[in-house]
Amino acid sequence: EDKVVQSPLSLVVHEGDTVTLNCSYEVTNFRSLLWYKQEKKAPTFLFMLTSSGIEKKSGRLSSILDKKELSSILNITATQTGDSAIYLCAVDAGDNNAGNMLTFGGGTRLMVKP
Amino acid sequence: GAGVSQSPSNKVTEKGKDVELRCDPISGHTALYWYRQSLGQGLEFLIYFQGNSAPDKSGLPSDRFSAERTGGSVSTLTIQRTQQEDSAVYLCASSLTGINTGELFFGEGSRLTVL
Repeated sequence: EDKVVQSPLSLVVHEGDTVTLNCSYEVTNFRSLLWYKQEKKAPTFLFMLTSSGIEKKSGRLSSILDKKELSSILNITATQTGDSAIYLCAVDAGDNNAGNMLTFGGGTRLMVKP
Repeated sequence: GAGVSQSPSNKVTEKGKDVELRCDPISGHTALYWYRQSLGQGLEFLIYFQGNSAPDKSGLPSDRFSAERTGGSVSTLTIQRTQQEDSAVYLCASSLTGINTGELFFGEGSRLTVL
């Protein structure tokens, strides 16, 4: 059974802090790893990672995949209150008949205090 | 439509009643997915449609759950004889099949509360 585990479960920081969120996976047919941000309802896409060691960056957020360690990290620098959300890690481990079916981790709930 | 649309946004029902949740995916997206998110939890896969057929129903938790999709567009998720443990947010997502972007576009979900 495919499995995705995220840590920590929750995190409280102050504005300006840097945070690192972790995701590890055990799947049979890895295709890609994705990070989503869920503020209230609909998760919104952040990054997709397919190759080890190549950092993806968007503003203060960055992410990298380590296929040897079967893990990924999501970094947020200079955090702001607007970064408060649940961050979801997901792995696409389907075959070509499975579309983009994702297996999600349990999420990390981040709260950024002013 | 511009995004994935789900209805109702909130549904409160009594234990034992049937409920029907609707998802209208992004126009042109052939793949449609249903996920369930219990309070404070990650997303649990329920079912995936490619066009009108469902190659993967492995996530449906019991035979009280069923889903269909007609015309390659709108999908309905039906829960019969609801139980309190069915209370959750039911999220629908769609994507362009054949393009391995991995990106699913999510609706805002239907929050189901079973009393």
